Amino acid sequence: SQTIHQWPATLVQPVGSPLSLECTVEGTSNPNLYWYRQAAGRGLQLLFYSVGIGQISSEVPQNLSASRPQDRQFILSSKKLLLSDSGFYLCAWDRQGPDTQYFGPGTRLTVL
Amino acid sequence: KNQVEQSPQSLIILEGKNCTLQCNYTVSPFSNLRWYKQDTGRGPVSLTIMTFSENTKSNGRYTATLDADTKQSSLHITASQLSDSASYICVVSRGNYQLIWGAGTKLIIKP
Repeated sequence: SQTIHQWPATLVQPVGSPLSLECTVEGTSNPNLYWYRQAAGRGLQLLFYSVGIGQISSEVPQNLSASRPQDRQFILSSKKLLLSDSGFYLCAWDRQGPDTQYFGPGTRLTVL
Repeated sequence: KNQVEQSPQSLIILEGKNCTLQCNYTVSPFSNLRWYKQDTGRGPVSLTIMTFSENTKSNGRYTATLDADTKQSSLHITASQLSDSASYICVVSRGNYQLIWGAGTKLIIKP
């Protein structure tokens, strides 16, 4: 069966500090991978998606970046965090077609 | 503008009662519509996914309907349980990896 991992679960960082969130998927190959952000009481906002190693599409211009160094690894990064980067970050995967997206447990990021 | 609007924003019902959540969308092109359940502090979990030709789909006590002509969907929960307390999110896919997410309906089940 497939599983998706995210870490860390929670993170408190000062403004201007760097960020690295990691997501890995097990039990499948060539997944589509996604990074979402969810502000309190709001819907999910797609940040990045990837259909293959090294292939990253950005949906929203911001100070975040994503990388996919391996087939089942997706990393979300920032060189300098802003207060507005606080939120709940979710990684997800799916396959081609009208398929369900499967979500990781999420990372709660607070920027102070 | 591609939007998904859900109502009500929040809902409180007694355990054992039924409820219906609404979703209206203005998304084009339309690929499919999904309902997710999200427990507080957790990632969303899929309940149903419906394509253009499907009018209804069930998953246990959850039944989703889709009217593609009026661009409306509903999620009906039968015989609610305390574990149904969560946010329920309507999502419309445009294809090409683009999902439009609603803000969700927060459902609270009281004993």
